[in-house]
Amino acid sequence: GQNIDQPTEMTATEGAIVQINCTYQTSGFNGLFWYQQHAGEAPTFLSYNVLDGLEEKGRFSSFLSRSKGYSYLLLKELQMKDSASYLCAVKSGGSYIPTFGRGTSLIVHP
Amino acid sequence: GAVVSQHPSWVICKSGTSVKIECRSLDFQATTMFWYRQFPKQSLMLMATSNEGSKATYEQGVEKDKFLINHASLTLSTLTVTSAHPEDSSFYICSARDEVRSSTDTQYFGPGTRLTVL
Repeated sequence: GQNIDQPTEMTATEGAIVQINCTYQTSGFNGLFWYQQHAGEAPTFLSYNVLDGLEEKGRFSSFLSRSKGYSYLLLKELQMKDSASYLCAVKSGGSYIPTFGRGTSLIVHP
Repeated sequence: GAVVSQHPSWVICKSGTSVKIECRSLDFQATTMFWYRQFPKQSLMLMATSNEGSKATYEQGVEKDKFLINHASLTLSTLTVTSAHPEDSSFYICSARDEVRSSTDTQYFGPGTRLTVL
């Protein structure tokens, strides 16, 4: 099985930078996704990492270290609309279906 | 691209009735779709993988006779919650992979269906 761990909740100030961590324990790692989910809505795709390193996409960046079983999502220039749950999901064992973590609820305040 | 729709967006029903939820891929064909359930402040839990033209694959602990899945075409999968009970109240979300345009197995989610069983 897989074990995916994320902080339950984080708070940050508008305009600041926040880093959301995700650690995982799995065999046959084959990729990691980050999704954003606003309350009552479906998740939307943010990023995908399969190789070590940083992937930058506008205000959002995602980092992966396969040897450490660790990823983070970095959000810059936070806006109020970034208040949402951020889900880390891991593919492994030859399956194309990822397993989702519990998600991190991010609250951005003025 | 890669848009998935879901209908209805919410439904309230009486205990014992059945509810059908539709999931459609609007601009791509999907041989495989996925049905998830999400309780408040919980993670997405995969219920089953819907396969076009064949039987769905259910996750352990999910009753296949209670959650009927039909994937009759490359753009439509349906989930029927039979004899619904209050404990079935949840947020049901479908997703699909765009197998042609995506090489990373990225799933695209529908907007979800909020089911409330009274």
